[in-house]
Amino acid sequence: NAGVTQTPKFQVLKTGQSMTLQCAQDMNHEYMSWYRQDPGMGLRLIHYSVGAGITDQGEVPNGYNVSRSTTEDFPLRLLSAAPSQTSVYFCASSYVQGGYGYTFGSGTRLTVV
Amino acid sequence: KNEVEQSPQNLTAQEGEFITINCSYSVGISALHWLQQHPGGGIVSLFMLSSGKKKHGRLIATINIQEKHSSLHITASHPRDSAVYICAVSGSARQLTFGSGTQLTVLP
Repeated sequence: NAGVTQTPKFQVLKTGQSMTLQCAQDMNHEYMSWYRQDPGMGLRLIHYSVGAGITDQGEVPNGYNVSRSTTEDFPLRLLSAAPSQTSVYFCASSYVQGGYGYTFGSGTRLTVV
Repeated sequence: KNEVEQSPQNLTAQEGEFITINCSYSVGISALHWLQQHPGGGIVSLFMLSSGKKKHGRLIATINIQEKHSSLHITASHPRDSAVYICAVSGSARQLTFGSGTQLTVLP
């Protein structure tokens, strides 16, 4: 059982480049979410989805796009990378129904130069 | 927006000591989560609480809904417990709001 799989683990981008961070889960979780973790800031919610075809913004959505075409996949797109997007990104999933915990991916360390 | 405060920010203990990490939040929640993050590693969910107390091995988590406060206790601490412990809360919409984490170092 793979859980939540994030790729790539590391990435260096130049300012202005675009890229997609991949997130896939095999637990049939309806809820999927993306967070960024910055020193001294804790984890902050970027975007989330409660099911295929449904996405919404979190606390820090600017500069990021998401889509949810299947239950399993929830990619995060950086449209035009900026140094301020240098961070560690985590994907997490859960059941929508309360009473269940979250499963996190192993993270993607992104550096924008 | 819920505000989540953790204390202490940093904690150094000797092996075998009893450890307590505290978490308080400002608005009513549906659940509180304790997470563990090892250096360079991912995030693991330790507990999810909506009331009372849970125990798993040497870890105990408690929550007081009226006081909006939770504690994570580690009994007989060990160097392998060294990690960042993160408190997070979720409301009915399932979004998580995180505390800034407690860096725990257990010395042999």
